[in-house]
Amino acid sequence: SQTIHQWPATLVQPVGSPLSLECTVEGTSNPNLYWYRQAAGRGLQLLFYSVGIGQISSEVPQNLSASRPQDRQFILSSKKLLLSDSGFYLCAWSGQYTGELFFGEGSRLTVL
Amino acid sequence: AQKVTQAQTEISVVEKEDVTLDCVYETRDTTYYLFWYKQPPSGELVFLIRRNSFDEQNEISGRYSWNFQKSTSSFNFTITASQVVDSAVYFCALREYTNAGKSTFGDGTTLTVKP
Repeated sequence: SQTIHQWPATLVQPVGSPLSLECTVEGTSNPNLYWYRQAAGRGLQLLFYSVGIGQISSEVPQNLSASRPQDRQFILSSKKLLLSDSGFYLCAWSGQYTGELFFGEGSRLTVL
Repeated sequence: AQKVTQAQTEISVVEKEDVTLDCVYETRDTTYYLFWYKQPPSGELVFLIRRNSFDEQNEISGRYSWNFQKSTSSFNFTITASQVVDSAVYFCALREYTNAGKSTFGDGTTLTVKP
């Protein structure tokens, strides 16, 4: 069966520090991968998606970047965090021809 | 542009009551997917159901049922005989019918079921 994991689960970082959130999928090949951010009490905002290795599409220009160095690995990064980067970050995957998203456990980032 | 509206921000019911969560969407696409997801207090979103735009057949799964009406652009979710474990945030989402398939989410409805 397919599984998805992301880490770290919780992160407290000072403003201006770097960020790296990692997500891996097991049990499937060539998945579509997504990074979403959820602000408190709000819906999910799509940040990045990828349909293959090295292929990254950005939905919202901002302080973050994403990379897909391997087929089932998706990384969210920042060189310098801002206070507004605080939130709950969710990685997800879907099959190429199915629609539903399967989410990781989430990473809660607090920027102080 | 796609848009999903969940007008009910919060709903509170007593256990065993039926509850319906509303979802209205906007899209110019003729073919698309609709979904419901559940986010319990633990935070991880769980997929509940997918509906293709060309399939308007309603679906029932145990205590859950979904009513898709393309004519009114609505995809409502009903929980029958609610239980405390149903307490969660529920999201409705709309996805493009393409390989990349970007999903647009509503802001969610927080359901609290009291014993």
